Amino acid sequence: GAGVSQSPSNKVTEKGKDVELRCDPISGHTALYWYRQSLGQGLEFLIYFQGNSAPDKSGLPSDRFSAERTGGSVSTLTIQRTQQEDSAVYLCASSSTTGGTGGGTQYFGPGTRLTVL
Amino acid sequence: SQELEQSPQSLIVQEGKNLTINCTSSKTLYGLYWYKQKYGEGLIFLMMLQKGGEEKSHEKITAKLDEKKQQSSLHITASQPSHAGIYLCGADINQFYFGTGTSLTVIP
Repeated sequence: GAGVSQSPSNKVTEKGKDVELRCDPISGHTALYWYRQSLGQGLEFLIYFQGNSAPDKSGLPSDRFSAERTGGSVSTLTIQRTQQEDSAVYLCASSSTTGGTGGGTQYFGPGTRLTVL
Repeated sequence: SQELEQSPQSLIVQEGKNLTINCTSSKTLYGLYWYKQKYGEGLIFLMMLQKGGEEKSHEKITAKLDEKKQQSSLHITASQPSHAGIYLCGADINQFYFGTGTSLTVIP
C-alpha cells in the first residue's frame, strides 16, 4: 500500500524566502511527526500531531517555523524568512494509535532536502 | 529493496542479558545514526558514527561502525525494561534512509 509521501523532494530557495513542505501520511494514521536531519547531526524532533489534540510544538527551533494538519491528514510545515542554517532534510513520519506489537511504529517519508542559499 | 537491513527484526530478552542489533548497508556509509523509537515521543537520537572502526558508548549502549563502513552493531549490556522499544539505524545515502527496525522487549 501507499506509504508516507512528501513533496517536494528537493527545494532550493534564497535566504529570506518562505517555504512550504508537504506531508501525506499513511491513510488512517492519526499520529504525524516532523523531524529535521541536518548534516552530521542526529534527527531533530520538530512537532507532533495526534488526532484532534493540540500539537506538541516543543521541538520547533524558532517562531519562523510552523506546521498545520488539515482534516487530520495532510500536514504542511512552513518556514518563514529562511536562513542558511535551515538547510537540512525534513522528514515526516506517521503512526497508528494501536498499541501492541507493531503499534506506534513510525513510518517515514522520503524527506524533503531543503537548501537555503 | 531496503538500503539498510537490520537484524534481528524482533528480540525478546530477560532483564540483565546482553544483546546485539546489526545494521547492514550495501553501500559505504559516511555517517551512521542510531535511534530509539518510543510511541508518542518521537525518535530519540542515541549516537552517530562516522569513521570506520569508530565505537561510541552511552550508558549501557555501545555502537560500532566496522572498518569497511558497511555495517554497524548496537550492543546493550545488562538490559533493563527501560531499554525496550524499537531501535532504528539511519544513514544519508543520497537521501536519508532508515533501517528496517528492531523491536526489543525486555522481560523483568
